[in-house]
Amino acid sequence: DAKTTQPNSMESNEEEPVHLPCNHSTISGTDYIHWYRQLPSQGPEYVIHGLTSNVNNRMASLAIAEDRKSSTLILHRATLRDAAVYYCILLKPRDDKIIFGKGTRLHILP
Amino acid sequence: GAVVSQHPSRVICKSGTSVKIECRSLDFQATTMFWYRQFPKQSLMLMATSNEGSKATYEQGVEKDKFLINHASLTLSTLTVTSAHPEDSSFYICSARGPLHTDTQYFGPGTRLTVL
Repeated sequence: DAKTTQPNSMESNEEEPVHLPCNHSTISGTDYIHWYRQLPSQGPEYVIHGLTSNVNNRMASLAIAEDRKSSTLILHRATLRDAAVYYCILLKPRDDKIIFGKGTRLHILP
Repeated sequence: GAVVSQHPSRVICKSGTSVKIECRSLDFQATTMFWYRQFPKQSLMLMATSNEGSKATYEQGVEKDKFLINHASLTLSTLTVTSAHPEDSSFYICSARGPLHTDTQYFGPGTRLTVL
């Protein structure tokens, strides 16, 4: 399975944009890039996913490099409630089970 | 969006007892559910895949006789930790793929198990 690499932790100030990077240099053509996040003492929640084009939803934006070997999750205006562990995961369309890496622990400073 | 619930949210038990955790898909049917375990400051570790109407598939290193999984209906999977010991204390989380074969997985809120 293709793997992803993320920084262990990041910090950002409240109300500022946050760019969370993810490297996936061995991504295959059928791998979708998914992002989930886990708030403290909760189950993970879906954030966004994409294949080739950049994607936007109410939670975040996903910017995918042209060669698809990296992607960036963008939180446009971080709040304290965005403090969580963010996981970047590659999944094929029929994949069901998710294997989690270590993710990036995002700290938001008030 | 689709909702997955777990019950109980917290459980404390004595060593040697068995504990059952329920995972329900509230507004959709899930032929497949997944069970994860998470220790403090660590990532989620997949334990097993729960298949409705058939045996669960366990990940390498997970004892199937220790962690009994039953998926008797399209909306309910149960995980029973048998003869629990303090080292089984952990955060147990289930998930299910969303309806209409969407790409999104929906996770339950987790169950905190403490074995004394």
